[in-house]
Amino acid sequence: EIVMTQSPATLSVSPGERATLSCRASQSVSSNLAWYQQKPGQAPRLLIYGASTRATGIPARFSGSGSGTEFTLTISSLQSEDFAVYYCQQYNNWPTFGQGTKLEIK
Amino acid sequence: EVQLVESGGGVVRPGGSLRLSCAASGFTFDDYGMSWVRQAPGKGLEWVSGINWNGGSTGYADSVKGRFTISRDNAKNSLYLQMNSLRAEDTALYHCARSVSTIFGVVWGWFDPWGQGTLVTVSS
Repeated sequence: EIVMTQSPATLSVSPGERATLSCRASQSVSSNLAWYQQKPGQAPRLLIYGASTRATGIPARFSGSGSGTEFTLTISSLQSEDFAVYYCQQYNNWPTFGQGTKLEIK
Repeated sequence: EVQLVESGGGVVRPGGSLRLSCAASGFTFDDYGMSWVRQAPGKGLEWVSGINWNGGSTGYADSVKGRFTISRDNAKNSLYLQMNSLRAEDTALYHCARSVSTIFGVVWGWFDPWGQGTLVTVSS
């Protein structure tokens, strides 16, 4: 099983600032990595796939980077609707998720 | 509009069984693999099981292998999860999700979209 580790567990950022979330895989997953956003009471929403490709309708302030074992999700200028929990997921093998990063308002 | 609607959740005693269903609409169902992903209360996401476009390939998390069975009926645009020998640790919101991949015919990929989920509670 490929273990996905996200950091930090909680990130406090002010609106308008940049947020950087990290995800590490226990072995290489190439670029087979996705990012999701989940708000309370809602289903997860796909943000990024292929490590860096934005899903349909996702604003340009969301960007993904990395390959192999180290990945980053960057939100360039935080809007109020961006405060949520973010998960990474690898699909190089049977899917596994990170434990999530909660992005909260500072 | 692509839509996934789950049903079949409920309260069941340990050792009991339950069958979940997922009704798909708004896309060509048999062009895609499908998966079940669960979320225990207050916890993160766990992939449970997946199936490819024609049911010829399936996969299961170790935590459910031998107890859960995934299936699909392409004529009815529906996905199913038969859950037997349920345990307290199976308590979760079960989401149905479309698996998307650049490789046709595989079981796994990224998940888009997700249904709202159906709640399964295993308790005596």
